[in-house]
Amino acid sequence: GEDVEQSLFLSVREGDSSVINCTYTDSSSTYLYWYKQEPGAGLQLLTYIFSNMDMKQDQRLTVLLNKKDKHLSLRIADTQTGDSAIYFCAERLDDSSYKLIFGSGTRLLVRP
Amino acid sequence: NAGVMQNPRHLVRRRGQEARLRCSPMKGHSHVYWYRQLPEEGLKFMVYLQKENIIDESGMPKERFSAEFPKEGPSILRIQQVVRGDSAAYFCASSPESGQHYGYTFGSGTRLTVV
Repeated sequence: GEDVEQSLFLSVREGDSSVINCTYTDSSSTYLYWYKQEPGAGLQLLTYIFSNMDMKQDQRLTVLLNKKDKHLSLRIADTQTGDSAIYFCAERLDDSSYKLIFGSGTRLLVRP
Repeated sequence: NAGVMQNPRHLVRRRGQEARLRCSPMKGHSHVYWYRQLPEEGLKFMVYLQKENIIDESGMPKERFSAEFPKEGPSILRIQQVVRGDSAAYFCASSPESGQHYGYTFGSGTRLTVV
């Protein structure tokens, strides 16, 4: 079945690292995405990872994928107050699929 | 190059009225996707359209909801006889082709409130 789960809330201090976790159930997922949603705004694509990769790094962002456990994480280094937002994990089931299956989002609060 | 444009940003309707949400895809994009985000939830796929064609409407409620993407003009998501449960944020995304792997560009959404 299609289900993407995330923890609801994460609070970190400015300058610390944040790790946002996501689990998915469909082993056929080909691409996994992280989106950021600031209050009242749309979704901004942060990064994505292909299912044959274990890790992807992009400046302060590191995505780790454990395909065996169907676990995806997003690490934000040196978290800033501007990183406060809701982070959504999403999966795409196969190469021909156009649907994204989203988790419910993790609200990240960065304390000064 | 403007992104995906949605309007209005906020829409308030009384129960029983009609809501019309508009989405102009990015320039050069001919594929449009509508998603709905209920409060405290993630986005759920509603419908996928190409110009003048509905490709997949499996996520659309069977009644009261319709979508179109005419040859000219924006894509329209239409909700007739709105009810309180229709209150949500409606997001549109577009792509130049289907199935691209690098993710879609979403608009800023229309937040519908039914009173």
